[in-house]
Amino acid sequence: DVKVTQSSRYLVKRTGEKVFLECVQDMDHENMFWYRQDPGLGLRLIYFSYDVKMKEKGDIPEGYSVSREKKERFSLILESASTNQTSMYLCASRARNTGELFFGEGSRLTVL
Amino acid sequence: AQSVTQPDIHITVSEGASLELRCNYSYGATPYLFWYVQSPGQGLQLLLKYFSGDTLVQGIKGFEAEFKRSQSSFNLRKPSVHWSDAAEYFCAVDEAAGNKLTFGGGTRVLVKP
Repeated sequence: DVKVTQSSRYLVKRTGEKVFLECVQDMDHENMFWYRQDPGLGLRLIYFSYDVKMKEKGDIPEGYSVSREKKERFSLILESASTNQTSMYLCASRARNTGELFFGEGSRLTVL
Repeated sequence: AQSVTQPDIHITVSEGASLELRCNYSYGATPYLFWYVQSPGQGLQLLLKYFSGDTLVQGIKGFEAEFKRSQSSFNLRKPSVHWSDAAEYFCAVDEAAGNKLTFGGGTRVLVKP
């Protein structure tokens, strides 16, 4: 079975804290993605990566950065968390030039 | 830029009744089209996808979708809904396999007994 694992299901952080969201996939996929999910807005792409050490901005990259040092791991970083970053964060991966995204179960972040 | 619209935010349907979820996209060429389902507390699962060929595609859990180029639509249907179909459904578009997907806002389906 394919597996995308997000390290934390629920996090509560304070404004200004640095936040790391980790995602690991075991399918040897080249492409990895971070989405943010908010009610009524669907999923919005924050960043994606085509390969190790490569990253591309998505539609809403402001306030976020990413790291991909190894093929299986893609980290989302909030340098200084703000309350408007309270959301559900979804990681996904897929093989190059194929259609299906495989999703993790999500990380629900609350910033107080 | 490509965009996806799901006009219905919520739909309530009785168990055993038929279901149709609407999806319209904006893109110049024929995109790759997807429907995903998200059950409460879960990640997203692929229901079906359309790349080319037959415009009526079958998916898992008894769902099907029809691509209509003239209407830029990719509506999802199920003839008889089960209580376990209560979930949120997302339509997604990709301009070419291997690129990023753009998702619609989602439709939440409630199933009445």
